[in-house]
Amino acid sequence: DAGVTQSPTHLIKTRGQQVTLRCSPKSGHDTVSWYQQALGQGPQFIFQYYEEEERQRGNFPDRFSGHQFPNYSSELNVNALLLGDSALYLCASSLAAGALTDTQYFGPGTRLTVL
Amino acid sequence: SQELEQSPQSLIVQEGKNLTINCTSSKTLYGLYWYKQKYGEGLIFLMMLQKGGEEKSHEKITAKLDEKKQQSSLHITASQPSHAGIYLCGADWNYGGSQGNLIFGKGTKLSVKP
Repeated sequence: DAGVTQSPTHLIKTRGQQVTLRCSPKSGHDTVSWYQQALGQGPQFIFQYYEEEERQRGNFPDRFSGHQFPNYSSELNVNALLLGDSALYLCASSLAAGALTDTQYFGPGTRLTVL
Repeated sequence: SQELEQSPQSLIVQEGKNLTINCTSSKTLYGLYWYKQKYGEGLIFLMMLQKGGEEKSHEKITAKLDEKKQQSSLHITASQPSHAGIYLCGADWNYGGSQGNLIFGKGTKLSVKP
């Protein structure tokens, strides 16, 4: 049973560029959440996708956008990259039960470096 | 101000010793999640607590949620080098259960000396 997978594992971009990160949820899960983890900090919630729609959003600017596909996989897009966007981006999947979600399982993350 | 505080920030213990990590919330917890993270890697789910006074164990790790549901502790018995890593608590402050937007503490870095 494959767990949560993310690609790529590492990425280097320059300021002003755009980036797309990808996530495949654990088998049987239908909800994907994205988190940003800066060095030495805990993960911060970006947004959550369920039924191909953004269901919740944290305190992140519109430069951060996402998408969920019919097979439940998801993408995170960040436009106009800033140095401060350098972080580990974590994807977590879970199974929704109405408005609630079950335990979230995390992927290995994508390390984004913005130069 | 940080609404979910973890203590200590870092911990170095001798192999075989017991240790406790604390997680304190400024608000009532409707779900408290413990995860372990190896440096720069993803989070590994350990345990989830929801009820006041609840206690769960997995191998040598025990987690408790206090009766008031504002503090949780993670206790490791007879620590081993494999326990080394960063322990993160994640809070669900949404009444009724998880809506998926967990708030995390900054983590406790545990080193175990052989």
